[in-house]
Amino acid sequence: EAQVTQNPRYLITVTGKKLTVTCSQNMNHEYMSWYRQDPGLGLRQIYYSMNVEVTDKGDVPEGYKVSRKEKRNFPLILESPSPNQTSLYFCASSRTGAGNTIYFGEGSWLTVV
Amino acid sequence: TQLLEQSPQFLSIQEGENLTVYCNSSSVFSSLQWYRQEPGEGPVLLVTVVTGGEVKKLKRLTFQFGDARKDSSLHITAAQPGDTGLYLCAVLGGSGTYKYIFGTGTRLKVLA
Repeated sequence: EAQVTQNPRYLITVTGKKLTVTCSQNMNHEYMSWYRQDPGLGLRQIYYSMNVEVTDKGDVPEGYKVSRKEKRNFPLILESPSPNQTSLYFCASSRTGAGNTIYFGEGSWLTVV
Repeated sequence: TQLLEQSPQFLSIQEGENLTVYCNSSSVFSSLQWYRQEPGEGPVLLVTVVTGGEVKKLKRLTFQFGDARKDSSLHITAAQPGDTGLYLCAVLGGSGTYKYIFGTGTRLKVLA
């Protein structure tokens, strides 16, 4: 089954404690990205990757890091989480970046206290 | 950053009613997508429109891309409770970027 899998689905952490949200896709997609979804602000792109070792900033990259060492994985790293990073996070992938269908993971609820 | 504005922000209607949701921008886009998101899940693609003036139908849902490719609408005929969800429009950022921009969303509730 084609899917995007992200973990953890739910996490409560404390300010400053580094955390990583993993993301994996099994569709051999070149394009992967991370979004955060906040009430009233919609879905905003954090980072995206066109292919292995190619990443670029989205609209809200501050406070986040990503890496794309393998085609299937695209982890999101919060080096020093802060309360304003409390949000619902989605990982997504698509065949290429050129207007193809975007497949989303089920989301990760992150609370930073 | 280009903005995609959706209206209305919230919509609560009775089963059987018709409704239209709008997605507007001041920029021109090569294509536009509509997604629906249900609680606890990620968005799922409904349609992609690519040609100005294009109309696509998906059962009771009709999507239109504006002639100038700056706006789009989603019309639902005889809404059903299963249509309840968050409707999002999305575009590629343009100007050689591969950033995706999503609209602010329309939260629809259809009451039985």
